[in-house]
Amino acid sequence: QKEVEQNSGPLSVPEGAIASLNCTYSDRGSQSFFWYRQYSGKSPELIMFIYSNGDKEDGRFTAQLNKASQYVSLLIRDSQPSDSATYLCAVNKRTDSWGKLQFGAGTQVVVTP
Amino acid sequence: DVKVTQSSRYLVKRTGEKVFLECVQDMDHENMFWYRQDPGLGLRLIYFSYDVKMKEKGDIPEGYSVSREKKERFSLILESASTNQTSMYLCASSLLSGSGSSYNEQFFGPGTRLTVL
Repeated sequence: QKEVEQNSGPLSVPEGAIASLNCTYSDRGSQSFFWYRQYSGKSPELIMFIYSNGDKEDGRFTAQLNKASQYVSLLIRDSQPSDSATYLCAVNKRTDSWGKLQFGAGTQVVVTP
Repeated sequence: DVKVTQSSRYLVKRTGEKVFLECVQDMDHENMFWYRQDPGLGLRLIYFSYDVKMKEKGDIPEGYSVSREKKERFSLILESASTNQTSMYLCASSLLSGSGSSYNEQFFGPGTRLTVL
């Protein structure tokens, strides 16, 4: 079992719709959770982080964390073609020190006009 | 803004060559990381460093070594390059865990696409 799992996609989303991305993790004691966006040929850039159970909203993005079920999700509202990218989920495990993160393999999102 | 730079965007080397990949960050971050990224496998940690001259192995350290002589610079060394080391290499840096804003947010460099022939 991978430590951080994501559906690889591609997730095809009509422009203006909501894109829903899911991520599950294996270490129950994980503490912090990150969503990175990576455009093709570019390096990852942070778009959201969340530490507490519940929802966290930032513009069109909402991160949702459920530690009991060990999943974190990302919602992208009013999806735009510029949102077409690979989204990486990253987790800081309880047992990992020094700021290490475990990354999922990423979900490719394609927003179609 | 945090800036992480890598010495080359593209690099072509031959099997058996010694390869140096350099990474420099300008935000006084304690932590620095080297990853490789391959299709379908995501980011895999090779080595990381939490202080000058301190290093720890990541998930796939075999065939690699690192050097951190100064806080801002972290080098990845392929002692004898092999074709299975053809990949995208990403460097990242972050503040020490728990030291304040955004905790473990990692900032990435632009990446080096290494091809070993």
